[in-house]
Amino acid sequence: KNQVEQSPQSLIILEGKNCTLQCNYTVSPFSNLRWYKQDTGRGPVSLTIMTFSENTKSNGRYTATLDADTKQSSLHITASQLSDSASYICVVSEGNAGNMLTFGGGTRLMVKP
Amino acid sequence: DTGVSQDPRHKITKRGQNVTFRCDPISEHNRLYWYRQTLGQGPEFLTYFQNEAQLEKSRLLSDRFSAERPKGSFSTLEIQRTEQGDSAMYLCASSYGTSHNSPLHFGNGTRLTVT
Repeated sequence: KNQVEQSPQSLIILEGKNCTLQCNYTVSPFSNLRWYKQDTGRGPVSLTIMTFSENTKSNGRYTATLDADTKQSSLHITASQLSDSASYICVVSEGNAGNMLTFGGGTRLMVKP
Repeated sequence: DTGVSQDPRHKITKRGQNVTFRCDPISEHNRLYWYRQTLGQGPEFLTYFQNEAQLEKSRLLSDRFSAERPKGSFSTLEIQRTEQGDSAMYLCASSYGTSHNSPLHFGNGTRLTVT
């Protein structure tokens, strides 16, 4: 069964600090991996999409990495801001199966002043 | 605002009633998706349209659920005889093209509470 596991489930950091969120997946065949940010009461917003051949991709203070061999991804947030407080969801797309996206349960990040 | 629009934002209904939600995708997007999300969980896939054709349905979509996209533009999701377990956030998303690498654009969801 295709699964996406994220860790930690929740994280509290101080404003200005860096943090790294983890995503492990068992989805096969692999098509792409996405990270989304979801503010409370809002829909998810895309941060990055990475295909098999991409190891790293940045979007401002967000940097995602992908190791397709170990089936792991991370999302690194640099110099955190209060507005980074949100849930971060890892999503893996299955290749050759049309639309199948498998969502992780998310990491809930709280940035405190 | 040309993003994905969902209506209503909130719906409270009594068990056994029918409810209908509407999603207006980004205008040129040919793909439209419905997801359900409960508190603290990631979204779960319900169904997917390419233009007006419903191409895939999850086993989560019981016979009380029906979705339509009659003209390949807006979509509706109807839940008949609602149950308390239907309480969740219902998210709509859209994307453009035939590649599954296209980003999904989500609406802000309809939060359903069944009392």
